[in-house]
Amino acid sequence: GEDVEQSLFLSVREGDSSVINCTYTDSSSTYLYWYKQEPGAGLQLLTYIFSNMDMKQDQRLTVLLNKKDKHLSLRIADTQTGDSAIYFCAESPPISGGYQKVTFGTGTKLQVIP
Amino acid sequence: DAGITQSPRHKVTETGTPVTLRCHQTENHRYMYWYRQDPGHGLRLIHYSYGVKDTDKGEVSDGYSVSRSKTEDFLLTLESATSSQTSVYFCAISEERGALGQFFGPGTRLTVL
Repeated sequence: GEDVEQSLFLSVREGDSSVINCTYTDSSSTYLYWYKQEPGAGLQLLTYIFSNMDMKQDQRLTVLLNKKDKHLSLRIADTQTGDSAIYFCAESPPISGGYQKVTFGTGTKLQVIP
Repeated sequence: DAGITQSPRHKVTETGTPVTLRCHQTENHRYMYWYRQDPGHGLRLIHYSYGVKDTDKGEVSDGYSVSRSKTEDFLLTLESATSSQTSVYFCAISEERGALGQFFGPGTRLTVL
């Protein structure tokens, strides 16, 4: 079945850039997402990218998609302590049937050191 | 933030008891989902709904049932709770099949002793 893999942990210093990586196996993935989860909270949708795009930028966030290698990355510029959280990569194939099947990675815990 | 609430936020129960978790949305979205989150497993879909009284199973539906009698409410029931159902449960909603992402509630932490 579909699989989404992420490294478990990333530590960066405040002010540096963070890059969180994700690989997926489903070649039919059409929609790719990044979510952020702070302690005790639900997942917050950060950004998404469609498979016909290579890059998407939204303020401090840059998403890069390498469809050939099935690799997705999230770059956070000027990382702040408030960015400390778990980041989930997720993918979804084209919509079929009654709902959209989303496969989530296991999350990367980002620690920002002041 | 999308208007999604879950109740209760925390619950401790005993093995064999029934438990119902509630998800309430104010966004009038058609699609609603129940996930569980466990260490090392990410999020796994339990059940989903694509309209009032329209529900279907996800990948880990055994031991769970759902109901949706109104657009705004989606209930998850554990008929007879087991310790393996100790988890954090999240409700999510999406517009028209969720191509633009799903929006999550704050979660319910359930402990089955």
